[in-house]
Amino acid sequence: GQQLNQSPQSMFIQEGEDVSMNCTSSSIFNTWLWYKQDPGEGPVLLIALYKAGELTSNGRLTAQFGITRKDSFLNISASIPSDVGIYFCAGQLSGGGADGLTFGKGTHLIIQP
Amino acid sequence: GAGVSQSPSNKVTEKGKDVELRCDPISGHTALYWYRQSLGQGLEFLIYFQGNSAPDKSGLPSDRFSAERTGGSVSTLTIQRTQQEDSAVYLCASSFSGFTGELFFGEGSRLTVL
Repeated sequence: GQQLNQSPQSMFIQEGEDVSMNCTSSSIFNTWLWYKQDPGEGPVLLIALYKAGELTSNGRLTAQFGITRKDSFLNISASIPSDVGIYFCAGQLSGGGADGLTFGKGTHLIIQP
Repeated sequence: GAGVSQSPSNKVTEKGKDVELRCDPISGHTALYWYRQSLGQGLEFLIYFQGNSAPDKSGLPSDRFSAERTGGSVSTLTIQRTQQEDSAVYLCASSFSGFTGELFFGEGSRLTVL
């Protein structure tokens, strides 16, 4: 199956800093998605991207679908304590199903007071 | 409720016992997924249902694991003869079609095998 390389694995930042994380793949995806998992809960969809080159914002979050369709990034501006959690990227192929959906291993975001 | 519901939220069992984990997906969602997450780790895919059929069972780690879905709704993940390495959070997710990647996750069932 496909593999996604998500980086960084973890980030230790100060409150107020901007955050950037990305996912790359050797395979082309039709949809890129970003999820966030708060401690003790299931992941929640933050942003879904459907077209190569698409740039989408959701509040302080901005994500882009790479023009090659093999990568995506997520930026968080002016981080706040509630941004702490694990961020997962995911790529979906047009065929659907579970083998068409691949998750990255996650980026742990830790905000130091 | 309107979200994906999982039960039990926590389960402690002894090695060798069988456990059943239940998932109630969002009404109308045809696709249902089970994932396993060890402490602080990524999402390990277990099984995917489209309706009542499971076209992809490739992630089940051993024949001690099985899952079924009835009526295109509730799903049960069964682990027989549990081992300590089965300890993890088991997450269920549902999706309207299974083609968009837009999954709605439950809060998970935390399994601890002593």
